[in-house]
Amino acid sequence: AQSVAQPEDQVNVAEGNPLTVKCTYSVSGNPYLFWYVQYPNRGLQFLLKYITGDNLVKGSYGFEAEFNKSQTSFHLKKPSALVSDSALYFCAVRDRYNFNKFYFGSGTKLNVKP
Amino acid sequence: SQTIHQWPATLVQPVGSPLSLECTVEGTSNPNLYWYRQAAGRGLQLLFYSVGIGQISSEVPQNLSASRPQDRQFILSSKKLLLSDSGFYLCAWSDSLTEAYFGQGTRLTVV
Repeated sequence: AQSVAQPEDQVNVAEGNPLTVKCTYSVSGNPYLFWYVQYPNRGLQFLLKYITGDNLVKGSYGFEAEFNKSQTSFHLKKPSALVSDSALYFCAVRDRYNFNKFYFGSGTKLNVKP
Repeated sequence: SQTIHQWPATLVQPVGSPLSLECTVEGTSNPNLYWYRQAAGRGLQLLFYSVGIGQISSEVPQNLSASRPQDRQFILSSKKLLLSDSGFYLCAWSDSLTEAYFGQGTRLTVV
């Protein structure tokens, strides 16, 4: 079965510092991986994806993620955090072999302090 | 461009009452459609998914059902709501190659 894990419930970072939100995956075959952000009482917004190609993928709002096959990780990063980045972040994997279902991690709450 | 609409945004229903949440997608055809529930502002649980009209698969046994009467319409229903049905319900769509796109969600409170 395909799955992703987010080992941190919460990440705290000061504004202007780099941030990393961790995600590890367990999939059969080549993974389709995604990051989403959710603000309170809103739907999830797509940030970026890894399908194939370069291991470093760039997405919306200055976010990027690094795909590491040997470590089965897909960590979300940003060089300089903003207070407005404070939100709930989800890593997801797409099960291409089973009706294209998406499975989400448990979410990581990012707090960026001024 | 594609858009997804989900309504209502909030709903307060008494225990034992019926439920109908609707989701429609515009600008695409034959999308994969999904219903998720998010409890306590955290993880998403996949409830139902559909790859075509009338084709519904359930991920977990529960008090809810789903239907897809038209290509771009996905409905979540219940005949009798339970307190445990409270939560944040999210509809999403994707095609065979892309990420999933989500509606704005429905906050359901069963009282």
